[in-house]
Amino acid sequence: AQSVTQPDIHITVSEGASLELRCNYSYGATPYLFWYVQSPGQGLQLLLKYFSGDTLVQGIKGFEAEFKRSQSSFNLRKPSVHWSDAAEYFCAVPTGGGNKLTFGTGTQLKVEL
Amino acid sequence: DAMVIQNPRYQVTQFGKPVTLSCSQTLNHNVMYWYQQKSSQAPKLLFHYYDKDFNNEADTPDNFQSRRPNTSFCFLDIRSPGLGDAAMYLCATSRASGGADEQFFGPGTRLTVL
Repeated sequence: AQSVTQPDIHITVSEGASLELRCNYSYGATPYLFWYVQSPGQGLQLLLKYFSGDTLVQGIKGFEAEFKRSQSSFNLRKPSVHWSDAAEYFCAVPTGGGNKLTFGTGTQLKVEL
Repeated sequence: DAMVIQNPRYQVTQFGKPVTLSCSQTLNHNVMYWYQQKSSQAPKLLFHYYDKDFNNEADTPDNFQSRRPNTSFCFLDIRSPGLGDAAMYLCATSRASGGADEQFFGPGTRLTVL
């Protein structure tokens, strides 16, 4: 079954530093992949998604992600983190015949000023 | 703005006292989802509606029920809440199912069980 793994539970970066959040997927064919962000006490917001084609995907808020089949990864990146980026980030993949999303365990991002 | 609205944002109930959470959407999406998210965990799908077709996850407890009286509204009923049901409940919508469609989430309802 398709699944995603986020190896990092917590990450702390300084404001202005670059960021990379890891996501590994388990799926034979090319999966659909999503990154969502959840601010404290809020619902989830889609940052970006990958279906096919260009492996570098641009999203909102200055985020991008790169699909690497050879590494089974879909890591999220941002060149310069802002304090407002502090949140929880979830990688997700459709499962159950595509009728639902299965989320990774999430990575909590803390930004130091 | 088109959106997903959840009411109330915070709900306190007593052990065993039925509670209903509400979700409405102005996106006119066909699919509506209910997720349970416990502290520091990923959201877990409870069930979803594709139009009027109800789809229950195999491991969703019988204590959880849902109603969708029309396209815009969906309700989550917890018949006898236990302490383990305290969580954030997230409603989401998508235009269609099939994996490719973005899900739009509401802000959630935080349920406390005393």
